[in-house]
Amino acid sequence: QSALTQPASVSGSPGQSITISCTGTSSDIGSYNLVSWYQQHPGKAPKLMISEGTKRPSGVSNRFSGSKSDNTASLTISGLQAEDEADYYCCSYAGSRMYVFGTGTKVTVL
Amino acid sequence: QVQLQESGPGLVKASETLSLTCTVSGVSISSYYWSWIRQPPGKGLEWIGFIHYSGTTKYNPSLKSRVTISVDTSKDELSLKLSSVTAADTAVYYCASSYSSRYDYWGQGTLVTVSS
Repeated sequence: QSALTQPASVSGSPGQSITISCTGTSSDIGSYNLVSWYQQHPGKAPKLMISEGTKRPSGVSNRFSGSKSDNTASLTISGLQAEDEADYYCCSYAGSRMYVFGTGTKVTVL
Repeated sequence: QVQLQESGPGLVKASETLSLTCTVSGVSISSYYWSWIRQPPGKGLEWIGFIHYSGTTKYNPSLKSRVTISVDTSKDELSLKLSSVTAADTAVYYCASSYSSRYDYWGQGTLVTVSS
């Protein structure tokens, strides 16, 4: 059960859109629409931003959206804001009641 | 509102057993599955395992031989035990509610350092 692969860092200017990829295999992301995304600010617990690939929990800005293609899930942040600067993690169901997280991506707002 | 609070020793000696408790409030412990997730300093998140109030458990294969997760419904608590710890087990340990493959609520996390 290997960690899902994410880019180490992504950056963008305020107002721009950025996309974070999360690459897995046909055994996890490719087989299930059960990818979730978490935002983590320094010293804080992760916060759920997207569930089941595309669903936004109540209270999460509609600037955050999720998608999936084959074995890769993506999180897009549109209208980038300073408060979006954080670490982001994907997580996927991997079958047999097991879960795997991504390697994490540091988002920098320039 | 739903609150989770981890507690336990912040320092554990190598080869001994790490023991943590997570106290749940604001929701019935039977409403969710409950997971433990850890994060070594400066590194990413690692799923440790989950438990259902019925006692059903599932563990990360890489930790399975050393991990036990249990639940005490009378106290609304879940616990984590990790045996034979090494420096590689130094991490912030989180408890979180699990539902439909998502983690809605998280504790603040507790740092456990393994000393030699």
